[in-house]
Amino acid sequence: EVQLVESGGGLVQPGGSLRLSCAASGFTFSSYAMSWVRQAPGKGLEWVSAISGSGGSTYYADSVKGRFTISRDNSKNTLYLQMNSLRAEDTAVYYCAKDLVVVPAATFDYWGQGTLVTVSS
Amino acid sequence: QSVLTQPPSASGTPGQRVTISCSGSSSNIGSNYVYWYQQLPGTAPKLLIYRNNQRPSGVPDRFSGSKSGTSASLAISGLRSEDEADYYCAAWDDSLSGPGVFGGGTKLTVL
Repeated sequence: EVQLVESGGGLVQPGGSLRLSCAASGFTFSSYAMSWVRQAPGKGLEWVSAISGSGGSTYYADSVKGRFTISRDNSKNTLYLQMNSLRAEDTAVYYCAKDLVVVPAATFDYWGQGTLVTVSS
Repeated sequence: QSVLTQPPSASGTPGQRVTISCSGSSSNIGSNYVYWYQQLPGTAPKLLIYRNNQRPSGVPDRFSGSKSGTSASLAISGLRSEDEADYYCAAWDDSLSGPGVFGGGTKLTVL
């Protein structure tokens, strides 16, 4: 059974940092692209970042470029999102999502339960 | 403002057919596949349609997708109360250096 379990969310002050993790199981992790998608309270979905199966290709939305870093450890079946210089507008539920293919597309067939990040003083 | 434009709301009565549109441009829908997601309240999104018109296993054939030029549509036939949810389209965008984009979402109400 495919499982994606996010962790690392919480309350952080503006300008602070957090690292999200997504532990994957039930599939060959390195064979699939992964992404982080966020949803601000009461708002729509925003595709934040994506990474290929090997980790060699990464993509960032303009809203987070230069502040967030996506990475993966295929030996640990874990996806990460390092978030620096956090702003109030980064407040959202962050989902990790598995793609159906090795390069990022938008074919997210499995999603985690989400982890809430709140940026506030 | 989302790169992909969806109507904020749609509605229908049980048994009806409803369609939800998604309008983009040549750099996204015009040159890439379109995907559709359903999000029930308090849950993670679920993939409904991939590659414009393909249904993952387990998705009822009441759901169908189509694409023409720079627009796409999701059709739901035989509307049921459990279809009340938010629906999002998504596509890769060649003009962006980042990942793809989602539409703003459409809240479907079953009257």
